[in-house]
Amino acid sequence: GQQVMQIPQYQHVQEGEDFTTYCNSSTTLSNIQWYKQRPGGHPVFLIQLVKSGEVKKQKRLTFQFGEAKKNSSLHITATQTTDVGTYFCAPAYSGAGSYQLTFGKGTKLSVIP
Amino acid sequence: NAGVTQTPKFQVLKTGQSMTLQCAQDMNHEYMSWYRQDPGMGLRLIHYSVGAGITDQGEVPNGYNVSRSTTEDFPLRLLSAAPSQTSVYFCASSLGPPTLSEQYFGPGTRLTVT
Repeated sequence: GQQVMQIPQYQHVQEGEDFTTYCNSSTTLSNIQWYKQRPGGHPVFLIQLVKSGEVKKQKRLTFQFGEAKKNSSLHITATQTTDVGTYFCAPAYSGAGSYQLTFGKGTKLSVIP
Repeated sequence: NAGVTQTPKFQVLKTGQSMTLQCAQDMNHEYMSWYRQDPGMGLRLIHYSVGAGITDQGEVPNGYNVSRSTTEDFPLRLLSAAPSQTSVYFCASSLGPPTLSEQYFGPGTRLTVT
């Protein structure tokens, strides 16, 4: 089936450093969602990107959707310990059923205080 | 609103036993889904429902059954538990199709099959 590559798998940063995770697809995406899961918790929706080249910001988080709609990124500026968790992208593919959401394998972020 | 609730939180089963994982939502969402999460594997869709009385298979449906008799409830049944079904199970609901709408996840059920 269609798969998305999410990199890196793990990232350790010093508090205050920036962090970026990437989601790459070999096929064009219809749209993409991002979720965050705290350790021991459940996934929580962060954002959905739909348009080519779209950029959305939520405080220190910046989300981008590539011009070709094949990749996306999540950038966190000046990480804090509250940012710890696993970040998942969830791409939707053009032409596929609108009910089956796939998830990347996630990037696990650790923040060293 | 309680959102999405799941019971039990933890469960240990022996191989061959059956059980039902409960999921309920009070947001009047039409769409509900069951996912399993294994280390390093992300979330994989087991079954989903687009409304009461309508269910379909996801990516990994074998060994699981679902039904949707009401909008609120979407139980997941393990027919004959196997060690490969040891996982964390999440139920989710959304107002619209999951690929187009924010999904709300329950707290999860941690299942161990020995």
